[in-house]
Amino acid sequence: GAVVSQHPSRVICKSGTSVKIECRSLDFQATTMFWYRQFPKQSLMLMATSNEGSKATYEQGVEKDKFLINHASLTLSTLTVTSAHPEDSSFYICSARFRAQETQYFGPGTRLLVL
Amino acid sequence: GQQLNQSPQSMFIQEGEDVSMNCTSSSIFNTWLWYKQDPGEGPVLLIALYKAGELTSNGRLTAQFGITRKDSFLNISASIPSDVGIYFCAGPLGWGGKLIFGQGTELSVKP
Repeated sequence: GAVVSQHPSRVICKSGTSVKIECRSLDFQATTMFWYRQFPKQSLMLMATSNEGSKATYEQGVEKDKFLINHASLTLSTLTVTSAHPEDSSFYICSARFRAQETQYFGPGTRLLVL
Repeated sequence: GQQLNQSPQSMFIQEGEDVSMNCTSSSIFNTWLWYKQDPGEGPVLLIALYKAGELTSNGRLTAQFGITRKDSFLNISASIPSDVGIYFCAGPLGWGGKLIFGQGTELSVKP
């Protein structure tokens, strides 16, 4: 149990385009999903917390207009990187949490390369 | 603010050796989580600890929740090449389900 999927696994796009990443909890309902960004050899950096049916809460320094998050159902959250630039190239990982449990289950990540 | 200090940062060991890594916090945690991340993948939960003093095993892995609630350690016995990866400790950051992560311990196992 506790399987989280992400799609796509990797994407290459041109500068200025928008990219949407999907995060799905496959076998449980996730009341809360989280989006992280990870640079090589570094730990995970939380970008935002996404609760089903409400607006996402962004961490300090993360532009909400740049990284649009939608959590339309208990099994799906999406992250859209708008007007992507090369500095947005990174590994993006989502996680999902079931009710009040502290444990988060992570997706396999999405490698974004902006040319 | 809260910080998790994880050590060592990296380890190079021979196959068959035991491994120990730990995590310390500047404040008390009610939960400790240990994750492993393979290259190019998301972290996978190894062990979750919910009670001070708790000792939990998962195969060759054993983790303990420190009595002071400010530390935790993870042991891997008889390491094998597939143990290679980055191990992260994590604990809850306030309310709302957010986690704070340690810096990670990169493990390399020489066959």
